[in-house]
Amino acid sequence: AQSVTQLGSHVSVSEGALVLLRCNYSSSVPPYLFWYVQYPNQGLQLLLKYTTGATLVKGINGFEAEFKKSETSFHLTKPSAHMSDAAEYFCAVSGGSYIPTFGRGTSLIVHP
Amino acid sequence: EPEVTQTPSHQVTQMGQEVILRCVPISNHLYFYWYRQILGQKVEFLVSFYNNEISEKSEIFDDQFSVERPDGSNFTLKIRSTKLEDSAMYFCASSAKGLGTEAFFGQGTRLTVV
Repeated sequence: AQSVTQLGSHVSVSEGALVLLRCNYSSSVPPYLFWYVQYPNQGLQLLLKYTTGATLVKGINGFEAEFKKSETSFHLTKPSAHMSDAAEYFCAVSGGSYIPTFGRGTSLIVHP
Repeated sequence: EPEVTQTPSHQVTQMGQEVILRCVPISNHLYFYWYRQILGQKVEFLVSFYNNEISEKSEIFDDQFSVERPDGSNFTLKIRSTKLEDSAMYFCASSAKGLGTEAFFGQGTRLTVV
């Protein structure tokens, strides 16, 4: 069985501030982890993924995430938020099944 | 850049009617999926399709739903006798391989049942 918990349905930051979106997962086998972004009225776009190897993963638009097995976490960060980062962010895990299971999503709000 | 395309972008239907949502996956991909997202809720897995048959399905995917790959390019989701609670965004996705590979998502079809 696999599941994802995203803490906080909404995260609000000021432009230029650090972005931290939290994701904790549960998987009975070593997981593959994904972050997707959904802009208004658009589909899901992959930001980054972790499969094996280096635990710090860099993605598009300056985002990165770190896989921490001991904490079963895969938090998404960006050093400096931009207005264009405002979107819905989804963490997903595929463990024993190849089918990604999604979290509930976190809405990122960026204030000027 | 290859992409998954879905049509229509928005479908309005009356309760009890049948709808078909259409998807064209990326051409060399082998795994196909349908997900749905009820407004304000999480993205939920419905069904996966591989080698011309359903490989996995969730408890949501009951007899009301069916999928088909009629011509080697399109991948369709049929919802029979729609209910108000079927109103959601439906996403099609495809991936080249299985475990660990990225699933590419379409723009979604917003289904509104009235």
